[in-house]
Amino acid sequence: NAGVMQNPRHLVRRRGQEARLRCSPMKGHSHVYWYRQLPEEGLKFMVYLQKENIIDESGMPKERFSAEFPKEGPSILRIQQVVRGDSAAYFCASSPETGGRKNIQYFGAGTRLSVL
Amino acid sequence: AQSVAQPEDQVNVAEGNPLTVKCTYSVSGNPYLFWYVQYPNRGLQFLLKYITGDNLVKGSYGFEAEFNKSQTSFHLKKPSALVSDSALYFCAVVSNTGKLIFGQGTTLQVKP
Repeated sequence: NAGVMQNPRHLVRRRGQEARLRCSPMKGHSHVYWYRQLPEEGLKFMVYLQKENIIDESGMPKERFSAEFPKEGPSILRIQQVVRGDSAAYFCASSPETGGRKNIQYFGAGTRLSVL
Repeated sequence: AQSVAQPEDQVNVAEGNPLTVKCTYSVSGNPYLFWYVQYPNRGLQFLLKYITGDNLVKGSYGFEAEFNKSQTSFHLKKPSALVSDSALYFCAVVSNTGKLIFGQGTTLQVKP
């Protein structure tokens, strides 16, 4: 029973390049959440997706960041033209369809992005 | 707006002593509250949650938390700390849209 899988675990990009972070939710889970942990800061919500739909993107920066969760395949968080300030740990979490807000969100091990 | 506060950046306890990690919340309506633990370079692991019912919630690894509505608190406790409990602990509340709103985290240091 695999948990939430994120890859890559570590990603190094130069300024101006694109970063693609992948998240495969737990089996049977259709809700995916992305959070960012900046150095010396807490965890901040970025975006909440269900299959093929963005439910809440209130935490996403308006530019350069996008997320998708297609019908088939993993959820992708895409950062275009990365800057040093994007260096952080990005965590994905998933939860099942039923239960709503009472559900536990299960977290992946994260992707640590370093921008040179 | 919903928020969670963890007033202590770090808590130090001796192994075998009881521990408390504090959390207060501000929400409208009934809160759904969670505690997670993060070990270095790892993701978050769920410890316990409060939805409704008994104010004392028991969770993983011997942890428990007490929901106090009048004090708007949800403190994490353990009767006897272990060195292996040393980690970063996060309290969180679920927003109306389902996202988790985290406190700033408390580093627990358990010394032998």
